[in-house]
Amino acid sequence: KNQVEQSPQSLIILEGKNCTLQCNYTVSPFSNLRWYKQDTGRGPVSLTIMTFSENTKSNGRYTATLDADTKQSSLHITASQLSDSASYICVVSAMNTGFQKLVFGTGTRLLVSP
Amino acid sequence: DTAVSQTPKYLVTQMGNDKSIKCEQNLGHDTMYWYKQDSKKFLKIMFSYNNKELIINETVPNRFSPKSPDKAHLNLHINSLELGDSAVYFCASSPSAVPFGYGYTFGSGTRLTVV
Repeated sequence: KNQVEQSPQSLIILEGKNCTLQCNYTVSPFSNLRWYKQDTGRGPVSLTIMTFSENTKSNGRYTATLDADTKQSSLHITASQLSDSASYICVVSAMNTGFQKLVFGTGTRLLVSP
Repeated sequence: DTAVSQTPKYLVTQMGNDKSIKCEQNLGHDTMYWYKQDSKKFLKIMFSYNNKELIINETVPNRFSPKSPDKAHLNLHINSLELGDSAVYFCASSPSAVPFGYGYTFGSGTRLTVV
């Protein structure tokens, strides 16, 4: 069964600190993995997208890693800001007869406290 | 602005009513989707249309009927609304047959509350 599990479910950190969010998946056949940021009341916005051959990808203060062997990904946020408070959703894409099937994780809710 | 836009942003209605949510994208994408996000913030796909043709239809009550008049629009009509339909509904679009998924864009959501 295709599944994406994220941890922790929620996280509170102080402004300026770093944090790492985890994503484990059992999706096949694997196409790519994405991290989305969803602000309260808004739609998800893509942060990074990684294919099978990519181990790490950065987008500003966000760095995503992918270990396709262990089927794990992480999202590291450096020098957190209050605006980083949001839900972070891991999404794994499986190719299914030419079309993508996206499997969503339940997200990690991050609160950055002043 | 290039975007995926949904209307209305908020919708409060009584049980048993019929309502529609509209979605439009001006990104030139061929594929559009409807997702439902429940109270636990879990996003689940409902429908996907590629060039006005239904390609994904997950297990959704037949009270939900998508309609795509052209590839830039995908509307969602819901008949006989039930309390359990309360959720946030997201429209999204992407270029068709894109194996690596670049350009997948979500709308800002429609919060439906059934009372």
